[in-house]
Amino acid sequence: GDSVTQMEGPVTLSEEAFLTINCTYTATGYPSLFWYVQYPGEGLQLLLKATKADDKGSNKGFEATYRKETTSFHLEKGSVQVSDSAVYFCALPPSSGGSNYKLTFGKGTLLTVNP
Amino acid sequence: ETGVTQSPTHLIKTRGQQVTLRCSSQSGHNTVSWYQQALGQGPQFIFQYYREEENGRGNFPPRFSGLQFPNYSSELNVNALELDDSALYLCASSLYRGAQETQYFGPGTRLLVL
Repeated sequence: GDSVTQMEGPVTLSEEAFLTINCTYTATGYPSLFWYVQYPGEGLQLLLKATKADDKGSNKGFEATYRKETTSFHLEKGSVQVSDSAVYFCALPPSSGGSNYKLTFGKGTLLTVNP
Repeated sequence: ETGVTQSPTHLIKTRGQQVTLRCSSQSGHNTVSWYQQALGQGPQFIFQYYREEENGRGNFPPRFSGLQFPNYSSELNVNALELDDSALYLCASSLYRGAQETQYFGPGTRLLVL
């Protein structure tokens, strides 16, 4: 079945450092791919998405490129801020079609950015 | 701010009790999904409702049930609570049920079962 493998944390960085959080997936087709962010005490917010191979999603300085050949969707940011401290989830919808829109999530990566 | 609200924010129950969690979707969103997020884990899909009918279910027992109402609100009911039901429960709404649709999550209800 579909699955997501996400780099486990926690990740601790200093402000302005470069961030990479790895995500690889297993799916039968070519689903859309998502990154969600969960700030402390809050629900999930969609951070960015890509709907097809070679698409680059971007938002708030974060980027991720849909790599079909490596089945990856790594999240990157060139210069992190303290306010980026959160848990990040990679997720994919079903690739087998149908009407059931179930998101499969990775386990999440806790990012802490120190001033 | 996603426009999706959930109540209550926190809840404490004892084993064997029943609980009802509520969600209010964005206006016009006819699809709602519920997820369970255990501590330190990613959310796990419980079920989805589309136009007041169940539209798919994850690997959860029948004591997890739901309702969706015409006014874009929904409920998650859990009977015979077990200790392992302690988790953050998230609802998410979307305009349509297609795989390309963005799901908008509420802040969640944190349930503790003692």
